[in-house]
Amino acid sequence: AQSVTQLGSHVSVSEGALVLLRCNYSSSVPPYLFWYVQYPNQGLQLLLKYTTGATLVKGINGFEAEFKKSETSFHLTKPSAHMSDAAEYFCAVSDPSSGNTGKLIFGQGTTLQVKP
Amino acid sequence: EPEVTQTPSHQVTQMGQEVILRCVPISNHLYFYWYRQILGQKVEFLVSFYNNEISEKSEIFDDQFSVERPDGSNFTLKIRSTKLEDSAMYFCASKSGGPYEQYFGPGTRLTVT
Repeated sequence: AQSVTQLGSHVSVSEGALVLLRCNYSSSVPPYLFWYVQYPNQGLQLLLKYTTGATLVKGINGFEAEFKKSETSFHLTKPSAHMSDAAEYFCAVSDPSSGNTGKLIFGQGTTLQVKP
Repeated sequence: EPEVTQTPSHQVTQMGQEVILRCVPISNHLYFYWYRQILGQKVEFLVSFYNNEISEKSEIFDDQFSVERPDGSNFTLKIRSTKLEDSAMYFCASKSGGPYEQYFGPGTRLTVT
């Protein structure tokens, strides 16, 4: 069965510092990979996704993530944190073999705090 | 930009009562989902719906739960007899197909007392 692990339930960075949020997955086949962000009292918004092709994917708000099959990882990074990046971030996977209906399996989430 | 909407934003109900959570997916989407997030826990898959039938459901989605797309625009989740442990944020999502992303609504916070 697929699973997703996000290392660190809380990450705190200073404004302008590098953001690194870790995600590792367990899957028998390379899954589709997603990062979602949840701002307070809002729904989940897609930041970026990897399905096939280039392993370094760029998303909205300056975020990017790299799919590393050998490490079963899909870590999210941003070179310079902004106060508005403070939110909860979820890594999720879906199984390509489940067809178009593929459910998402989520990690536990990481709360990003950005200090002035 | 099209978005998924959910009503109500907050529902309070007594244990044993029936509740219906409503969602309007994005209009040209074909696949519909319900997820829930118990406070402090991860987002969990409940059910997926395609072509007017359930395509997959989780162990959580027992006989107390049902879904319906009654009129081609709404997508509802019914809990027949709510329990305290059903208190959670319920998210509706939809997608057009393939490996494309799921678009999530803002959620309905269900509180069972």
